[in-house]
Amino acid sequence: DAGVTQSPTHLIKTRGQQVTLRCSPKSGHDTVSWYQQALGQGPQFIFQYYEEEERQRGNFPDRFSGHQFPNYSSELNVNALLLGDSALYLCASSSQGVNEQYFGPGTRLTVT
Amino acid sequence: GNSVTQMEGPVTLSEEAFLTINCTYTATGYPSLFWYVQYPGEGLQLLLKATKADDKGSNKGFEATYRKETTSFHLEKGSVQVSDSAVYFCALRNAGNNRKLIWGLGTSLAVNP
Repeated sequence: DAGVTQSPTHLIKTRGQQVTLRCSPKSGHDTVSWYQQALGQGPQFIFQYYEEEERQRGNFPDRFSGHQFPNYSSELNVNALLLGDSALYLCASSSQGVNEQYFGPGTRLTVT
Repeated sequence: GNSVTQMEGPVTLSEEAFLTINCTYTATGYPSLFWYVQYPGEGLQLLLKATKADDKGSNKGFEATYRKETTSFHLEKGSVQVSDSAVYFCALRNAGNNRKLIWGLGTSLAVNP
């Protein structure tokens, strides 16, 4: 049983570019949450998707958008990248009605 | 609002020492509480959890008890190993149909042989 997978592992972009990160949830999970973890900090909640809709959103600008597909996988898109967007982006999956979230290994984004 | 406060690190211990990492929270209602661990260069792994008052979560020799009277969920281990070196995060989630986790800032633990 594969856990949560994310791609790519690492990514380097320049300011102003756009990036798409991908996440496949753990088998049986239908909810995907995205977090941003800056170096030396705890994760910050970006948003959560369930039934292909954004259900909750943290304090992130509209440059951050997402999508969930019918197979429950998800994408995180960031437009007009800033240096401050450099971070580890974590995807977590869960099942409605179940308490636990399972995290993927993350995508390390570096903006130069 | 909801928040989690962890003791600041880094924490440096010798192998076989006793570990305590303090975590206190502020929340409405009856949150679920979690400890996650992040090993160097890796993502977050759930270490243990507790969903109601007086529950004790345990895993890999680590324990934490949900104390509602003191709003705490301190992480303990009786004898740490070098392989326990990692960053530990305390987190909460409120009851209800809300999957958002509220995180502490993390506590870095280094265990020396």
